[in-house]
Amino acid sequence: SQTIHQWPATLVQPVGSPLSLECTVEGTSNPNLYWYRQAAGRGLQLLFYSVGIGQISSEVPQNLSASRPQDRQFILSSKKLLLSDSGFYLCAWSVGVNYEQYFGPGTRLTVT
Amino acid sequence: AQSVTQLDSQVPVFEEAPVELRCNYSSSVSVYLFWYVQYPNQGLQLLLKYLSGSTLVKGINGFEAEFNKSQTSFHLRKPSVHISDTAEYFCAVSENGANNLFFGTGTRLTVIP
Repeated sequence: SQTIHQWPATLVQPVGSPLSLECTVEGTSNPNLYWYRQAAGRGLQLLFYSVGIGQISSEVPQNLSASRPQDRQFILSSKKLLLSDSGFYLCAWSVGVNYEQYFGPGTRLTVT
Repeated sequence: AQSVTQLDSQVPVFEEAPVELRCNYSSSVSVYLFWYVQYPNQGLQLLLKYLSGSTLVKGINGFEAEFNKSQTSFHLRKPSVHISDTAEYFCAVSENGANNLFFGTGTRLTVIP
């Protein structure tokens, strides 16, 4: 069966520090991969999605970036965090033609 | 442009009462529709989906939803809620052929004992 992992689960970082969040998927090949951010009291905002290694689409201009170095690995990064980067970050995957997405457990990021 | 509207940000309901969470969408093409549930500090879990066929879709935990094309709605219902149904519920839409899901802002369901 397929599983999706995210780490760390929680993270507290000062403003201006770098960020690296990792997401890995097991049990499937060539998945579509997604990064979402969920701010307090708001819905999900799609940040990036990837349909293959090295292929990244950005949905929202910001100081975040994403990379996909391996088929089932998706990384969210920042060189300098802002206070507004605080939130709950969710990774998701999908495959095939059904378009449903499966979500990881999330990372709660607090920028202080 | 595609959009998803969940009009009710919070819905309180007594235990064993019925509930309906509303979802409306706007799209000029055929769509796939989804409902997800999110428990505190967790990821989203798929409740049910509509891809094609019967407009009444049954999902996990006793939930069901009905696709109404003329009203562009996909409301979620449960005839009798439990305390354990307290969570945030998200409606999502995908246009035919697209990779992305568009999410509503969510409805927080609180079941009162």
